[in-house]
Amino acid sequence: AQKVTQAQTEISVVEKEDVTLDCVYETRDTTYYLFWYKQPPSGELVFLIRRNSFDEQNEISGRYSWNFQKSTSSFNFTITASQVVDSAVYFCALFGGSSNTGKLIFGQGTTLQVKP
Amino acid sequence: DTGVSQNPRHKITKRGQNVTFRCDPISEHNRLYWYRQTLGQGPEFLTYFQNEAQLEKSRLLSDRFSAERPKGSFSTLEIQRTEQGDSAMYLCASSLMFGAGILEKLFFGSGTQLSVL
Repeated sequence: AQKVTQAQTEISVVEKEDVTLDCVYETRDTTYYLFWYKQPPSGELVFLIRRNSFDEQNEISGRYSWNFQKSTSSFNFTITASQVVDSAVYFCALFGGSSNTGKLIFGQGTTLQVKP
Repeated sequence: DTGVSQNPRHKITKRGQNVTFRCDPISEHNRLYWYRQTLGQGPEFLTYFQNEAQLEKSRLLSDRFSAERPKGSFSTLEIQRTEQGDSAMYLCASSLMFGAGILEKLFFGSGTQLSVL
């Protein structure tokens, strides 16, 4: 069975603070893909990153960085120097490539509130 | 790239009525997905199409739900005899699938918010 757990339901920070959103996943597939999506109040899910299971290099994109650790089945997301515009719901998602079910499994999401 | 388009944005209906939603994917995408999202939850998979073929349906998709993708272009999701529990955001997404087990990112539409009174 595949599962994604985002244990943090809500996080509130003050602008310019760093914040890390946790994601833990479960899969029996050896090949899989992990994603992060952002859902602002407008409702549309916005793609942030895609990472395959064979690439454990951490990635940085501007103020965003991702830490992928297969040993702990985690794919955490850090926002450095948070801004009010970062306020949104963030979803971690898993696609099990070898099972080829075609579906992306989402976690329950973490609501991030950045206060000015 | 005009993105994934969904219509209508909002739908209010009375219990027992039928409703139909439309999704227009990004034109060159061969895969189309339907998800349902309730308040405070992540999107839940309903079904997906590879071109015009419906390849998988979730157990969430009861026999009151039917989805089609004629000619592998736009898709419709119909709910018959709506129930209050059907109230949710219905999201459509599309993607390119290059081969077995390789998924590029999903592009999502803004969704159709269904309220069943």
